[in-house]
Amino acid sequence: EVQLVESGGGLVQPGGSLRLSCAASGFSFVSYAMHWVRQAPGKGLEYVSAISPYGDSSSYIDSVKGRFTISRDNSKNTLYLQMGSLRAEDMAVYYCARDGYGGDIDGYDIWGQGTMVTVSS
Amino acid sequence: AIQMTQSPSSLSASVGDRVTITCRASQGIRNDLGWYQQKPGKAPQLLIYAASNLQSGVPSRFSGSGSDTDFTLTISSLQPEDFATYYCLQDYTYPWTFGQGTKVEIK
Repeated sequence: EVQLVESGGGLVQPGGSLRLSCAASGFSFVSYAMHWVRQAPGKGLEYVSAISPYGDSSSYIDSVKGRFTISRDNSKNTLYLQMGSLRAEDMAVYYCARDGYGGDIDGYDIWGQGTMVTVSS
Repeated sequence: AIQMTQSPSSLSASVGDRVTITCRASQGIRNDLGWYQQKPGKAPQLLIYAASNLQSGVPSRFSGSGSDTDFTLTISSLQPEDFATYYCLQDYTYPWTFGQGTKVEIK
């Protein structure tokens, strides 16, 4: 079964750090770009970051540049998001999602279940 | 960043109704647009990719059309399980951007 499972969310104080992980299974992880998408409570979806299949290029939304770092370990089939200098506005459910282009499907064809990040003192 | 303007933000409809949701891009995005359905507490699911291609396993009552800046998602006959929030997403260029969502509620 093709699956993405996020972990690492939790409560963190403003200014703190957190690392999210996303374990992939059931497909050739190295064949796909991977993304992080977030959703603040009661709000819409927001692209956060993306990384190429071999990790040689990445992209971020402006609001997280310099604070978040996306990475991947293809030997472990795992995607990461290192989050630093966290702010209240970063509080959200964070989803990892597969960019289906590697399988000729544009957009996010597989999503994880999400992990909640709460930023509060 | 490309802005995606989705309308309406919400609608009320009855089972069996035909429902149309539109999405407009602030610049041309060819056909690089997808539609997603999200139910409360769940991850979104891909319905339509490349503007008009039905994702595997998605019922044929869902269809998409459009290109360049104007796109439409149509549900031909609304079913009880279709009450959800729908989002468009441009995957033409980074940063990918979503529309603000359309909540489809029961009339």
